[in-house]
Amino acid sequence: NAGVTQTPKFRVLKTGQSMTLLCAQDMNHEYMYWYRQDPGMGLRLIHYSVGEGTTAKGEVPDGYNVSRLKKQNFLLGLESAAPSQTSVYFCASSPVAGKTDTQYFGPGTRLTVL
Amino acid sequence: LAKTTQPISMDSYEGQEVNITCSHNNIATNDYITWYQQFPSQGPRFIIQGYKTKVTNEVASLFIPADRKSSTLSLPRVSLSDTAVYYCLVASYKGSSASKIIFGSGTRLSIRP
Repeated sequence: NAGVTQTPKFRVLKTGQSMTLLCAQDMNHEYMYWYRQDPGMGLRLIHYSVGEGTTAKGEVPDGYNVSRLKKQNFLLGLESAAPSQTSVYFCASSPVAGKTDTQYFGPGTRLTVL
Repeated sequence: LAKTTQPISMDSYEGQEVNITCSHNNIATNDYITWYQQFPSQGPRFIIQGYKTKVTNEVASLFIPADRKSSTLSLPRVSLSDTAVYYCLVASYKGSSASKIIFGSGTRLSIRP
């Protein structure tokens, strides 16, 4: 049981390049989330999904797209990377049953845009 | 939208009890209070969650007064390994409410020998 895994762990892009970050969970969780964390700051929600085939915007969605084609995977795409997107990206999943929720986080992807 | 306010940093010593208070004046009826711990270069880890009164697990206790406008995370007998950033979240999580999850800047706890 690997929990939440993220690929890649590190990446350096040039401005204007595109890339996709992959998040995978093996806990059969319904909800999945993408966050970004800038140095010394808290996490900010980018996009999230409440189930396979669904996506929704979080606090800072601009410049990102997501897809949830399979329940266990949640992809985050950057179509044209900008230096302002330099950050650490965390994926999380949660089972969500009833009123409460516990999120399980991946190890993060450190992205630098030059 | 329940915004939270926490102290930016706190210092303590090994073996002491540490209490971190979070203010959330606009908490909604359906909101739960959750605390996470984050070590450098790692994702946050769930510590404890509650709705009202007191919740205790093997790691911490969470105290929530009747008006629910604040909460206090209590860490008993801290050790050096408790040095981390602690986040207080207030959210209902269900459906579209998941978009309102806000971590804030957290409290940086430093434990000294």
